[in-house]
Amino acid sequence: EAQVTQNPRYLITVTGKKLTVTCSQNMNHEYMSWYRQDPGLGLRQIYYSMNVEVTDKGDVPEGYKVSRKEKRNFPLILESPSPNQTSLYFCASSLLLAGGPETQYFGPGTRLLVL
Amino acid sequence: AQSVTQLGSHVSVSEGALVLLRCNYSSSVPPYLFWYVQYPNQGLQLLLKYTSAATLVKGINGFEAEFKKSETSFHLTKPSAHMSDAAEYFCAVSDQVEAGGTSYGKLTFGQGTILTVHP
Repeated sequence: EAQVTQNPRYLITVTGKKLTVTCSQNMNHEYMSWYRQDPGLGLRQIYYSMNVEVTDKGDVPEGYKVSRKEKRNFPLILESPSPNQTSLYFCASSLLLAGGPETQYFGPGTRLLVL
Repeated sequence: AQSVTQLGSHVSVSEGALVLLRCNYSSSVPPYLFWYVQYPNQGLQLLLKYTSAATLVKGINGFEAEFKKSETSFHLTKPSAHMSDAAEYFCAVSDQVEAGGTSYGKLTFGQGTILTVHP
């Protein structure tokens, strides 16, 4: 089954304790992206990647890091989480084809609470 | 820069009634437009997308949306609501962004509209 998986689905942590949220897709997609969803703000892009070893900042990158060492994986790293990073996080992936944007496929989400 | 405005953060309808969720966009170029649905505790799922072919786009679960350039709108409709349609709906506009010698579609999302369906 074609899918995007994220782990963990729920996470409670404390300020300053480094954490990683994993994202993996089995569709051989070049493009992957991380979003955060906050009430009344919709989804905002954190980072994206066009392919292995190619990453760039989205609209709200402060406090986050990413890496893309393999095509299927795109982990999101919070080196020193703060309470304002409490949010619902989504990973998404899509093909990169000429002629127009392809549909992005979303993971189930990771709900993070930073105390 | 692209932007999307969804009018109404909450919409409530009776089962069997018309569903109308409003979306207006701003774009300096012909846009690609999407509607996504998010069921409780799930990720986003594509309902439909407009890519400059037919202005009336049909999606899954009986939903459709009409692109109106003169009104910069892409409203989502369904003739008869079902209880299973209760969810949050997001309108998004995509802009082709050039980076590293290639391009990708950067999605900008609206704020979301929560649809409640009453028996």
